Order: sequence, then C-alpha cells, then structure tokens
Amino acid sequence: GQQVQQSPASLVLQEGENAELQCNFSTSLNSMQWFYQRPGGSLVSLFYNPSGTKHSGRLTSTTVIKERRSSLHISSSQTTDSGTYLCALEHNYAQGLTFGLGTRVSVFP
Amino acid sequence: ETAVFQTPNYHVTQVGNEVSFNCKQTLGHDTMYWYKQDSKKLLKIMFSYNNKQLIVNETVPRRFSPQSSDKAHLNLRIKSVEPEDSAVYLCASSFDWGDTQYFGPGTRLLVL
Repeated sequence: GQQVQQSPASLVLQEGENAELQCNFSTSLNSMQWFYQRPGGSLVSLFYNPSGTKHSGRLTSTTVIKERRSSLHISSSQTTDSGTYLCALEHNYAQGLTFGLGTRVSVFP
Repeated sequence: ETAVFQTPNYHVTQVGNEVSFNCKQTLGHDTMYWYKQDSKKLLKIMFSYNNKQLIVNETVPRRFSPQSSDKAHLNLRIKSVEPEDSAVYLCASSFDWGDTQYFGPGTRLLVL
C-alpha cells in the first residue's frame, strides 16, 4: 500500500480561514519535506522538517516521528495559496523521496 | 529563483523513438535525481546519483538511463519510448543524500 498518505485529498477554503494538512507514513524516515506544486507543475520546497516544528510566514510544519505523522498548517489563507501540497520522505539513505498524492487546496475570496 | 534547469519544456514523439532530456543545476550540489509524475499525479523516484553512486529504482525499465558529464548535469535518455512513458519528468538536486531537494520545472513527454 501507499507508504505516504495525505489527507484530506482536497480542501476548499474561504480567504482568511486556517487549514491543517496531514501526512502519515508507515516507515521510518531519514528526511521529510513539504512541497507546493503550482498549477503549471513546478515544485517549490516549503519545509525540510524531519522532526520538530518549523515556521515560515503563515505556514507551520510539525513532524512527530514516533507517531509517524507530519502536518502543515496554513493560517489566514489567501487565494494565492491555491494549489497542491505534497509531503515526501526519504525512508532509506540515498533512495530518493517517496511522495504522497497531495492535498489540493482551493481558496476563494 | 530557478536554479535547476530542464530542457525541453515539452516534447512530442512517436513510439520507438529515442529521446533525451537535459538537467543542469547551478547550486553546487553533489547529488541529482530524476522523478516521473504520471497521469494520476503521483511522483516516483527513478534515479539518484552523485559522484559516489548511482541508485536505480528497481521498477524503472531498462530503456531509461541517466547520463552525467559532471556533477552539475544529469540527463535522462529513453532508448525506445512507449506510450506509458508519457508523463512529466522532474529533475532535482541536493547537497548530499538526505538533504533538501530542489526541483526543476519538469519536461512533459507525450508519446503518440
């Protein structure tokens, strides 16, 4: 089965609302990243966060290894936050990233 | 700011042809990767490479091969394309295994 599971699959927000995206994984991890994928397809790295909590502007990432989960919190969403959010982990050294299917976020004014 | 460059952006070809995609990074990284994003949008690792080692995902068909002239370049060759090769191919780089990966814009391949 899928080693990296993201939920929800999609999310509709009104501008200003907060959101919490979840990523659960079934294996140990060597590294963990969150990405934003633009509608055109390019990937932007949001966080490299194999453990603990990190902040960047309105975004917060929290990874709890022993619970095998990571979350991405978006506060005060904006229409420009619309897109797909992907979590990915490297569970063995030098094996590359294993991606989830993503959460598609749509923010309306 | 783009630091991982891929060419071409888009390529259309016919079954059986050979294609080659280019990837260059200007980040000074030692490790590069190729990923495939299929029609269901799932990204899968194909190759991981640095000057020490090439790691090949066992599910990748043998008609695919990476080609590197130096640590800033990792090209992808497909010997004889098949319809299921239609996808977006994404190149990435990192300082070392397990470090933050930065992605290029991708090359979209359509096999007719």
